[in-house]
Amino acid sequence: EVQLVESGGGLVQPGGSLRLSCAASGFTSSNYWMSWVRQAPGKGLEWVANINQEGSEKYYADSVRGRFTISRDNAKNSVYLQVNSLRAEDTAVYYCARHASGFRPQIDFWGQGTVVTVSS
Amino acid sequence: DVVMTQSPLSLPVTLGQPASISCRSSQSLVFSDGNNYLNWFHQRPGQSPRRLIYQVSNRDSGVPDRFSGSGSGTDFTLKISRVEAEDVGVYYCMQGTHWPPYTFGQGTKLEIK
Repeated sequence: EVQLVESGGGLVQPGGSLRLSCAASGFTSSNYWMSWVRQAPGKGLEWVANINQEGSEKYYADSVRGRFTISRDNAKNSVYLQVNSLRAEDTAVYYCARHASGFRPQIDFWGQGTVVTVSS
Repeated sequence: DVVMTQSPLSLPVTLGQPASISCRSSQSLVFSDGNNYLNWFHQRPGQSPRRLIYQVSNRDSGVPDRFSGSGSGTDFTLKISRVEAEDVGVYYCMQGTHWPPYTFGQGTKLEIK
């Protein structure tokens, strides 16, 4: 069974940092692009960042570029999101998502999410 | 960035009746390979999204055939032929042609009348 399990969320003060983790199982994550997508309370979905299979290509939303860093450890079947300089508007559920194989990889599977709350 | 606009944002439907959601993009989603990378997701309350449709009209494994997608270019539609109780929640379209960034529509909340 394909699973993505996120962890690392929590309550953090403005300006603080967290490291979010995503553990993949049921498939070989090293074969797939992976993304982080977030959802603020009561709001829609916002793509945050993605990374290719080798970790050599990384892309970010303008809203997080320079503050967030995506990485992966294929030996551990895991993807990470280092989130720094957090702001109140970063409060959200952060989902890890897999991209299906293909020429133009599309998100096809989501984890259950981890909650990040930025508040003093 | 490509802006995705969904309508309606709220969709009350009677059980057994059809439903239709529109998604329009601010630029054509036709990629150089001829494909439209337009996806539809369903998010039930308290759950993570689940993909229903990819490349406009291809149903994911396990998705009932009452769901269908159509369109090309900038205009796309998700149709449910006969709404069932399990179909409640929010539906999102997402474009994957012009990334980064991937962009989503605002979401359409389907509820049972």
